[in-house]
Order: sequence, then structure tokens, then C-alpha cells
Amino acid sequence: SQTIHQWPATLVQPVGSPLSLECTVEGTSNPNLYWYRQAAGRGLQLLFYSVGIGQISSEVPQNLSASRPQDRQFILSSKKLLLSDSGFYLCAWSQGTPYEQYFGPGTRLTVT
Amino acid sequence: AQTVTQSQPEMSVQEAETVTLSCTYDTSESDYYLFWYKQPPSRQMILVIRQEAYKQQNATENRFSVNFQKAAKSFSLKISDSQLGDAAMYFCAYKTPRNNDMRFGAGTRLTVKP
Repeated sequence: SQTIHQWPATLVQPVGSPLSLECTVEGTSNPNLYWYRQAAGRGLQLLFYSVGIGQISSEVPQNLSASRPQDRQFILSSKKLLLSDSGFYLCAWSQGTPYEQYFGPGTRLTVT
Repeated sequence: AQTVTQSQPEMSVQEAETVTLSCTYDTSESDYYLFWYKQPPSRQMILVIRQEAYKQQNATENRFSVNFQKAAKSFSLKISDSQLGDAAMYFCAYKTPRNNDMRFGAGTRLTVKP
């Protein structure tokens, strides 16, 4: 069966510091991968998605970036965090029809 | 642009009763998929049920069922015999094969009263 991992689970970082969040998927190959951000009490905002190694599409202009160095690894990064980067970050994967996405446990990021 | 609207920010239901959560969407596509996700306090998103637009029969998963009205672009979720563990945020979502992203509604917070 497929599983998806995210770490860290919780992160507190000062403004201006770098960021690296990691997501890995097990039990499947060549999945589509997604990064979402969820502000408190709000819906999900798609940040990035990837259909293959090195293929990243950005949905929202921001100071975040994403990379996919391996087939089942998806990384969300920032060189300098802003206060507005605080939120709950969710990674998800999908594969083919019927296109449902499966989510990881999430990372709660607080920028101070 | 495809949009998903959940008009009920909050709903409450008595334990063992039935509740219906509303969702409407806007699209010009004929081929698409609709989903309901549950987000409990742990905040991990859990797939509850899915509906393929080409299927006329409403999807059912145990106590969860949908009322899919394609012409009206409506996709409501009915939870029967509500349990305390059903308390969560519920998100309606839309996906078309033409696009890579899934569009989510703003969510409905469901409270279950004992």
C-alpha cells in the first residue's frame, strides 16, 4: 500500500531564515506531487505541483520554491521566510484516474 | 475558471441524526471528478467519497452518500447516523483531467452534539 510522509511535523523559524520541508511517497512510482498551504480556518491553496522529476509548476508567485530531486521526493524551500509564510503545509500525491489526491500529515510552520 | 462554493461555513447535527453539507461548482467541462474530504482536528485530509461526472448513480460509502445534480452543478454530502468522530472540517473538491490542480471549497465545519 502507498504511504506519504512529511517532516518535520512542527517548525518554528525566525523571519529571514531558510526553510526546507520534505515529503516522500512510498509504494508507488511516478506519482503527481503537490504542495498546498492552509491558513488557519481556511481552505487549501495550491502552491506547486510536479508530474515528474525536475518538473515543477508554480501556481502562486511567492518567495517559496519546490524541487523534486527523486521520483518520490518533493521538497518545499525558501531562502528567507516571511511572517506571511506561517501556515499549515500539506503534501499530496495522485496517480491517474479518478484523480483523487492523498495527503500527508502536514507541517505546521510558525514564522516569528 | 472552475470554482467550488461551500455556502455553509458551519453546521451542527445531533448524534445519530442525519446532516447534509452543500457544495456547488462552476465549470464548462463535461469530464470531471468531485470529491469530499474530511479534515479532523489532526488536520490530515482524508478522502471520504468521490463521484465521477459521467456516472448518474450517486456514490455511497457506508454512512456517507452524495446527491450529485449535474445540471444544477450541485454535489451535496449526506452523513447518516452521525457519530462524534464525524466532527471535522469537510471540503468539497473538483478535478478535471485537463488540469493538474484540484480546486477546493472553503470548507464546512461540522459539529456533532452528543
